[in-house]
Amino acid sequence: DTAVSQTPKYLVTQMGNDKSIKCEQNLGHDTMYWYKQDSKKFLKIMFSYNNKELIINETVPNRFSPKSPDKAHLNLHINSLELGDSAVYFCASSQEGLAGVDEQFFGPGTRLTVL
Amino acid sequence: GQQVMQIPQYQHVQEGEDFTTYCNSSTTLSNIQWYKQRPGGHPVFLIQLVKSGEVKKQKRLTFQFGEAKKNSSLHITATQTTDVGTYFCAAFSGGYNKLIFGAGTRLAVHP
Repeated sequence: DTAVSQTPKYLVTQMGNDKSIKCEQNLGHDTMYWYKQDSKKFLKIMFSYNNKELIINETVPNRFSPKSPDKAHLNLHINSLELGDSAVYFCASSQEGLAGVDEQFFGPGTRLTVL
Repeated sequence: GQQVMQIPQYQHVQEGEDFTTYCNSSTTLSNIQWYKQRPGGHPVFLIQLVKSGEVKKQKRLTFQFGEAKKNSSLHITATQTTDVGTYFCAAFSGGYNKLIFGAGTRLAVHP
């Protein structure tokens, strides 16, 4: 019954490899997000999709490409991994409430380690 | 772009002591949210404040939104070991529900 799920939970890979992280939400939300949390716990938004349409695209290297096949899924593909990509990546979802904004529900995170 | 400053970065308290974390912005905020992240866990929504001067309570947690809507605080009374974690404030910047998070305050509670 997990609301927002991510796979894999851990990902250890070599520099230069390509990897993907998958995210699914069963909350019926229209908006999904990818966040990066670095070793200092700083949480920064990377991308956001609303009904499969990209609406937020922060200054993220082109090596990162999100894909949303439907509004319940938002995947993140990373090409040519670098050491600095090591972080925890969180997927989140939200549904705009009556007040125009709403809480975000986070997935359990994917800890990516690039060697 | 909008920034949200949060202090302190770390706080160590003895169990039973109070704890407060503060969030400040140079611009007026439409609203502010607070999240808690347990060690090894993910951020979990605690509350959203919208109105100027708003005060909300959740058991031992008291949340305040400043009169000018430029600052907010989270106060925990009589901390317990279950309060351990990082507390983040977050504010919306621009449209599309883009949340800007503060740097977080990491709370350690010693029994």
